Amino acid sequence: DTAVSQTPKYLVTQMGNDKSIKCEQNLGHDTMYWYKQDSKKFLKIMFSYNNKELIINETVPNRFSPKSPDKAHLNLHINSLELGDSAVYFCASSRQGAGGTEAFFGQGTRLTVV
Amino acid sequence: AQTVTQSQPEMSVQEAETVTLSCTYDTSESDYYLFWYKQPPSRQMILVIRQEAYKQQNATENRFSVNFQKAAKSFSLKISDSQLGDAAMYFCAYRVNRDDKIIFGKGTRLHILP
Repeated sequence: DTAVSQTPKYLVTQMGNDKSIKCEQNLGHDTMYWYKQDSKKFLKIMFSYNNKELIINETVPNRFSPKSPDKAHLNLHINSLELGDSAVYFCASSRQGAGGTEAFFGQGTRLTVV
Repeated sequence: AQTVTQSQPEMSVQEAETVTLSCTYDTSESDYYLFWYKQPPSRQMILVIRQEAYKQQNATENRFSVNFQKAAKSFSLKISDSQLGDAAMYFCAYRVNRDDKIIFGKGTRLHILP
């Protein structure tokens, strides 16, 4: 059983298109994240959700809109894709608050905008 | 600002030898967690080891151990008996206990020489 799964693994699309990446976790965690890993492998947090509520939005363009229908799912929708959006996007989850632990990551979605 | 610094972009070690990866962090918090993650070419993020800041004892997981120096804000990873499968990007990460954000360093690419 995959703990954090995201789909698709690869996404190639043209500039200007709108695309979504889905994420689901079966760990019962309260907190879910989206991270972006650029071509230099730098991992930067984009969003953090806790029990379906947005907690952290790290100055991400508003073309990126996360949606959490329930605490097990956190999807990422991207409008008007740009070349600079090409990256690997990771979904992750963790326990929240005191005793908070490490993040468990999905396998990543490599987004290529052409 | 909370930052994590990995000063070695790349390192190489002979198979079966020992290597130490450096990490320093900057924080004014007293209650936090530190992690080392491994990212092999498969791009999956794998937790290697975790250290709670309130614990003085250094964490150990099989061939992986840390040297946690809280006053110096240093958290290095030692890999003993290096194996070819250890070749990967290694990320040092930090999380404040009360926070939902995990901050990553820029990573160290480790090469294992046969």
